Amino acid sequence: GENVEQHPSTLSVQEGDSAVIKCTYSDSASNYFPWYKQELGKRPQLIIDIRSNVGEKKDQRIAVTLNKTAKHFSLHITETQPEDSAVYFCAASPDRGSTLGRLYFGRGTQLTVWP
Amino acid sequence: ETGVTQSPTHLIKTRGQQVTLRCSSQSGHNTVSWYQQALGQGPQFIFQYYREEENGRGNFPPRFSGLQFPNYSSELNVNALELDDSALYLCASSSHREGYNEQFFGPGTRLTVL
Repeated sequence: GENVEQHPSTLSVQEGDSAVIKCTYSDSASNYFPWYKQELGKRPQLIIDIRSNVGEKKDQRIAVTLNKTAKHFSLHITETQPEDSAVYFCAASPDRGSTLGRLYFGRGTQLTVWP
Repeated sequence: ETGVTQSPTHLIKTRGQQVTLRCSSQSGHNTVSWYQQALGQGPQFIFQYYREEENGRGNFPPRFSGLQFPNYSSELNVNALELDDSALYLCASSSHREGYNEQFFGPGTRLTVL
Protein backbone atom coordinates (compact mmCIF):
# COMPACT_ATOMS: atom_id res chain seq x y z
CA GLY A 1 0.00 0.00 0.00
CA GLU A 2 0.86 3.68 -0.04
CA ASN A 3 3.41 5.04 2.45
CA VAL A 4 3.59 8.78 3.08
CA GLU A 5 6.55 10.28 4.93
CA GLN A 6 6.35 13.84 6.28
CA HIS A 7 9.08 16.15 7.58
CA PRO A 8 9.76 17.90 9.83
CA SER A 9 7.64 16.67 12.74
CA THR A 10 7.90 20.08 14.44
CA LEU A 11 8.60 23.51 12.97
CA SER A 12 8.93 26.82 14.78
CA VAL A 13 9.08 30.11 12.88
CA GLN A 14 8.88 33.80 13.66
CA GLU A 15 5.80 35.66 12.54
CA GLY A 16 6.27 36.87 8.98
CA ASP A 17 8.76 34.16 8.05
CA SER A 18 8.03 31.34 5.61
CA ALA A 19 7.40 27.70 6.53
CA VAL A 20 7.97 24.65 4.34
CA ILE A 21 6.73 21.13 5.01
CA LYS A 22 7.82 18.25 2.80
CA CYS A 23 6.25 14.87 2.04
CA THR A 24 7.20 11.85 -0.02
CA TYR A 25 4.98 9.03 -1.20
CA SER A 26 5.63 5.55 -2.53
CA ASP A 27 2.73 4.53 -4.79
CA SER A 28 2.94 5.85 -8.34
CA ALA A 29 -0.85 5.35 -8.64
CA SER A 30 -1.40 8.27 -6.26
CA ASN A 31 -2.42 11.36 -8.17
CA TYR A 32 -4.26 13.54 -5.65
CA PHE A 33 -2.41 15.27 -2.82
CA PRO A 34 -4.38 17.27 -0.24
CA TRP A 35 -3.09 19.16 2.76
CA TYR A 36 -5.08 19.41 5.98
CA LYS A 37 -4.74 21.77 8.94
CA GLN A 38 -5.84 20.47 12.31
CA GLU A 39 -6.11 22.79 15.29
CA LEU A 40 -6.13 21.29 18.76
CA GLY A 41 -9.34 19.39 19.40
CA LYS A 42 -10.79 20.20 15.97
CA ARG A 43 -11.41 18.37 12.71
CA PRO A 44 -8.82 18.24 9.93
CA GLN A 45 -9.62 21.08 7.53
CA LEU A 46 -8.72 20.88 3.84
CA ILE A 47 -6.58 23.93 3.03
CA ILE A 48 -5.21 23.17 -0.43
CA ASP A 49 -4.80 20.24 -2.78
CA ILE A 50 -3.00 19.43 -6.01
CA ARG A 51 -3.40 16.81 -8.70
CA SER A 52 -0.65 15.08 -10.62
CA ASN A 53 -1.31 16.97 -13.85
CA VAL A 54 -0.29 20.20 -12.11
CA GLY A 55 3.16 21.10 -10.78
CA GLU A 56 2.23 23.99 -8.52
CA LYS A 57 -0.87 25.57 -7.05
CA LYS A 58 -1.21 28.74 -5.01
CA ASP A 59 -3.95 30.17 -2.84
CA GLN A 60 -3.04 33.49 -1.22
CA ARG A 61 -0.24 32.76 1.30
CA ILE A 62 -0.31 29.01 0.74
CA ALA A 63 1.27 27.12 -2.13
CA VAL A 64 1.86 23.47 -2.89
CA THR A 65 4.40 22.00 -5.30
CA LEU A 66 4.51 18.49 -6.70
CA ASN A 67 7.36 16.55 -8.28
CA LYS A 68 5.73 13.37 -9.54
CA THR A 69 8.97 11.93 -10.89
CA ALA A 70 10.64 12.16 -7.50
CA LYS A 71 7.38 11.37 -5.67
CA HIS A 72 7.51 14.35 -3.37
CA PHE A 73 5.32 17.34 -2.67
CA SER A 74 5.64 20.34 -0.39
CA LEU A 75 3.53 22.93 1.38
CA HIS A 76 4.78 26.50 1.51
CA ILE A 77 3.28 29.11 3.82
CA THR A 78 4.51 32.67 3.39
CA GLU A 79 4.14 35.62 5.79
CA THR A 80 3.19 33.28 8.61
CA GLN A 81 0.83 34.48 11.32
CA PRO A 82 0.21 33.13 14.86
CA GLU A 83 -3.16 31.75 13.70
CA ASP A 84 -1.27 29.48 11.28
CA SER A 85 -0.10 27.51 14.34
CA ALA A 86 -1.57 24.00 14.06
CA VAL A 87 -0.73 20.48 12.99
CA TYR A 88 -0.48 20.11 9.22
CA PHE A 89 -0.99 16.76 7.49
CA CYS A 90 -0.14 15.81 3.95
CA ALA A 91 -1.96 12.95 2.26
CA ALA A 92 -1.86 11.00 -0.98
CA SER A 93 -4.69 9.29 -2.80
CA PRO A 94 -5.65 7.84 -6.18
CA ASP A 95 -8.52 9.78 -7.70
CA ARG A 96 -9.67 6.93 -9.91
CA GLY A 97 -9.84 3.13 -9.85
CA SER A 98 -10.70 0.69 -7.07
CA THR A 99 -8.89 2.68 -4.37
CA LEU A 100 -10.53 5.99 -5.30
CA GLY A 101 -11.00 8.20 -2.31
CA ARG A 102 -8.69 6.52 0.18
CA LEU A 103 -6.42 9.05 1.86
CA TYR A 104 -3.03 7.97 3.18
CA PHE A 105 -1.69 10.50 5.66
CA GLY A 106 1.72 11.53 6.85
CA ARG A 107 2.39 11.72 10.58
CA GLY A 108 1.89 15.46 10.75
CA THR A 109 3.95 18.61 11.37
CA GLN A 110 3.33 20.76 14.44
CA LEU A 111 3.84 24.33 13.21
CA THR A 112 4.30 27.04 15.83
CA VAL A 113 4.42 30.68 14.76
CA TRP A 114 5.88 32.98 17.40
CA PRO A 115 4.68 36.62 17.48
CA GLU B 1 -17.22 24.34 8.83
CA THR B 2 -18.26 21.34 6.76
CA GLY B 3 -21.74 19.85 6.79
CA VAL B 4 -20.42 16.56 8.17
CA THR B 5 -21.65 15.70 11.66
CA GLN B 6 -20.69 12.91 14.05
CA SER B 7 -22.13 11.56 17.27
CA PRO B 8 -21.40 11.15 20.04
CA THR B 9 -18.61 13.66 20.70
CA HIS B 10 -16.99 11.62 23.44
CA LEU B 11 -17.41 8.06 24.64
CA ILE B 12 -15.87 6.01 27.42
CA LYS B 13 -16.05 2.24 27.26
CA THR B 14 -14.36 -0.67 28.98
CA ARG B 15 -12.33 -3.40 27.35
CA GLY B 16 -14.47 -6.07 25.68
CA GLN B 17 -17.48 -3.83 25.15
CA GLN B 18 -18.96 -2.82 21.81
CA VAL B 19 -19.44 0.69 20.44
CA THR B 20 -21.36 2.33 17.58
CA LEU B 21 -20.35 5.67 16.14
CA ARG B 22 -22.48 7.68 13.72
CA CYS B 23 -21.78 10.03 10.83
CA SER B 24 -23.98 12.17 8.61
CA SER B 25 -22.43 13.13 5.29
CA GLN B 26 -22.41 16.52 3.63
CA SER B 27 -25.31 17.29 1.32
CA GLY B 28 -24.60 15.99 -2.20
CA HIS B 29 -21.98 13.49 -1.05
CA ASN B 30 -22.58 9.76 -1.48
CA THR B 31 -19.44 8.29 0.04
CA VAL B 32 -18.29 8.03 3.65
CA SER B 33 -14.80 7.05 4.73
CA TRP B 34 -13.80 6.28 8.31
CA TYR B 35 -10.41 7.01 9.83
CA GLN B 36 -8.77 6.29 13.18
CA GLN B 37 -6.47 8.97 14.55
CA ALA B 38 -4.32 7.91 17.48
CA LEU B 39 -2.80 10.65 19.62
CA GLY B 40 0.04 12.38 17.80
CA GLN B 41 -0.52 10.45 14.55
CA GLY B 42 -2.08 11.06 11.20
CA PRO B 43 -5.51 9.57 10.45
CA GLN B 44 -5.45 5.95 9.28
CA PHE B 45 -7.98 4.68 6.73
CA ILE B 46 -10.37 2.08 8.19
CA PHE B 47 -12.87 1.60 5.36
CA GLN B 48 -15.07 3.40 2.90
CA TYR B 49 -18.78 3.02 2.14
CA TYR B 50 -20.37 3.76 -1.21
CA ARG B 51 -23.86 2.75 -2.32
CA GLU B 52 -24.41 1.08 1.05
CA GLU B 53 -21.53 -1.34 0.53
CA GLU B 54 -17.99 -1.48 1.86
CA ASN B 55 -15.75 -0.17 -0.87
CA GLY B 56 -12.29 -0.97 0.41
CA ARG B 57 -10.75 -1.56 3.82
CA GLY B 58 -7.47 -0.61 5.41
CA ASN B 59 -5.41 -2.73 7.77
CA PHE B 60 -8.07 -3.17 10.46
CA PRO B 61 -9.47 -6.45 11.85
CA PRO B 62 -13.03 -7.70 11.16
CA ARG B 63 -14.23 -6.51 14.57
CA PHE B 64 -14.32 -3.09 12.90
CA SER B 65 -17.46 -3.06 10.75
CA GLY B 66 -19.77 -0.51 9.27
CA LEU B 67 -22.98 0.34 7.55
CA GLN B 68 -24.20 2.96 5.15
CA PHE B 69 -27.85 3.91 4.92
CA PRO B 70 -29.90 5.05 1.90
CA ASN B 71 -29.51 8.69 3.01
CA TYR B 72 -25.69 8.14 2.86
CA SER B 73 -25.22 8.41 6.62
CA SER B 74 -22.99 5.75 8.13
CA GLU B 75 -22.16 3.84 11.28
CA LEU B 76 -18.87 2.44 12.52
CA ASN B 77 -19.14 -0.53 14.89
CA VAL B 78 -16.26 -1.86 16.94
CA ASN B 79 -16.65 -5.13 18.84
CA ALA B 80 -14.52 -6.56 21.64
CA LEU B 81 -12.89 -3.21 22.37
CA GLU B 82 -9.20 -3.17 23.18
CA LEU B 83 -7.17 -0.51 24.97
CA ASP B 84 -5.43 0.37 21.68
CA ASP B 85 -8.77 1.29 20.15
CA SER B 86 -8.65 4.52 22.16
CA ALA B 87 -8.44 7.23 19.50
CA LEU B 88 -10.29 9.97 17.65
CA TYR B 89 -12.57 8.43 15.03
CA LEU B 90 -13.16 10.65 12.05
CA CYS B 91 -15.55 10.24 9.20
CA ALA B 92 -15.12 12.05 5.92
CA SER B 93 -17.68 12.53 3.19
CA SER B 94 -16.99 12.83 -0.50
CA SER B 95 -18.52 12.30 -3.91
CA HIS B 96 -17.52 9.02 -5.53
CA ARG B 97 -16.57 10.39 -8.88
CA GLU B 98 -13.34 10.03 -10.80
CA GLY B 99 -11.20 13.10 -10.69
CA TYR B 100 -13.07 14.46 -7.70
CA ASN B 101 -12.21 13.07 -4.32
CA GLU B 102 -11.96 15.99 -1.96
CA GLN B 103 -12.87 14.69 1.45
CA PHE B 104 -14.41 16.78 4.21
CA PHE B 105 -14.13 15.65 7.79
CA GLY B 106 -16.57 15.62 10.64
CA PRO B 107 -15.56 16.79 14.13
CA GLY B 108 -14.77 13.26 15.27
CA THR B 109 -15.72 11.02 18.17
CA ARG B 110 -13.14 10.68 20.94
CA LEU B 111 -13.26 7.07 22.18
CA THR B 112 -11.55 6.11 25.41
CA VAL B 113 -11.26 2.43 26.30
CA LEU B 114 -10.45 1.67 29.94
